[in-house]
Amino acid sequence: QVQLQESGPGLVKPSQTLSLTCTVSGGSITSGGYYWSWIRQHPGKGLEWIGYIYYSGSTYYNPSLKSRVTISVDTSKNQFSLKLSSVTAADTAVYYCARKSSGDWVDPWGQGTLVTVSS
Amino acid sequence: SSELTQDPAVSVALGQTVRITCQGDSLRSYYASWYQQKPGQAPVLVIYGKNNRPSGIPDRFSGSSSGNTASLTITGPQAEDEADYYCNSRDSSGNHLVFGGGTKLTVL
Repeated sequence: QVQLQESGPGLVKPSQTLSLTCTVSGGSITSGGYYWSWIRQHPGKGLEWIGYIYYSGSTYYNPSLKSRVTISVDTSKNQFSLKLSSVTAADTAVYYCARKSSGDWVDPWGQGTLVTVSS
Repeated sequence: SSELTQDPAVSVALGQTVRITCQGDSLRSYYASWYQQKPGQAPVLVIYGKNNRPSGIPDRFSGSSSGNTASLTITGPQAEDEADYYCNSRDSSGNHLVFGGGTKLTVL
């Protein structure tokens, strides 16, 4: 059973770059047909898709975040990563990594990690 | 604003049937998936594809679609079904993923 776990700093200063890593266990990140995704949830708000990556390196980003987002994959470590640049307080959220199928359903999800942007 | 529209809140009496809807133009072309999220927890997939339930999801959860509206029906909801429910699908361009704003379900 595939499991995902986010890791990274819980506090980032404004204007800096938020960096998170998702470690996949119980399965290979190179399994065909799956896209490795980042989704966030602002406090008390709904879910926002950030983007996803295929193991080959093809990426797809939310147009509203595209200029600041980079998602990469490290198949040797079975990990994928998120970088969000020039963060502000508006980027404070719980960040989830998850697996998206070719049919667009998302399962499973990591437990989520709260990232706070504050000086 | 989201390209998938959900009612912010719905309530249902214990044991009755409740339908949670998700509207969007992209739903004429793509299936919606549905997620349950309880406070402090990650979302959990409950319905995907035409009307499929992942292993472990009770059969009181079902999905349907008509035109630009997808629906999640809970037949005889239990107290533990009280949660936020989100739909997701493609956006109208078909190129990107999008989530509905979520529906808070209260079981009375």
